[in-house]
Amino acid sequence: EVQLVESGGGLVKPGGSLRLSCAASGFTFSNAWMSWVRQAPGKGLEWVGRIKSKTDGGTTDYTAPVKGRFTISRDDSKDTLYLQMNSLKIEDTAVYYCTTELSIPYWGQGTLVTVSS
Amino acid sequence: SYELTQPPSVSVSPGQTARITCSGDALPQHYAYWYQQKPGQAPVLVIYKDSERPSGIPERFSGSSSGTTVTLSISGVQAEDEADYYCQSADSSGIYVFGTGTKVTVL
Repeated sequence: EVQLVESGGGLVKPGGSLRLSCAASGFTFSNAWMSWVRQAPGKGLEWVGRIKSKTDGGTTDYTAPVKGRFTISRDDSKDTLYLQMNSLKIEDTAVYYCTTELSIPYWGQGTLVTVSS
Repeated sequence: SYELTQPPSVSVSPGQTARITCSGDALPQHYAYWYQQKPGQAPVLVIYKDSERPSGIPERFSGSSSGTTVTLSISGVQAEDEADYYCQSADSSGIYVFGTGTKVTVL
């Protein structure tokens, strides 16, 4: 059974940093492209970015609002995906979901990030 | 930037068919996925690769594609189908994008 468990969310001040983790199990993590998706309170879903598998180059893509501030990385030895978020803004407040880009996508339950002074 | 356009809301009586459209110029080149989201819950995949249904999803959910529009149909709508629905696909660069979302109300 595929499982994705996010952690690391919390309250942070504007300009601060936070690192989210996503522990994966039930599939071959090293072969999977992985993404982060967020949802601000009362708003729709927004794709944040992805990291490809190392065999496909391990490169990353990001949506424009987070480019230069967010970094996605992976540790295949730990089956874990990361989202490093720097220079956080109030508008980054959202639930952040970890997702797989497999033939059938899977999602975690999300972790809440609140950016507030 | 690339956009996927959905109607903001769809209302349907129990037992009828709800149809939700999603329009985007790159849809002929990339698969579409549909998610159901109920308040306070994570999204649930109901259709992948335009028309495939994951295990555990009722047969009343179906997907179709025609040109630059994909459609999620819910036949024999039940009260439990009331939720927000989002389409997802990719732009010409392979960057994922979500539709604007449709609130389905069961009258």
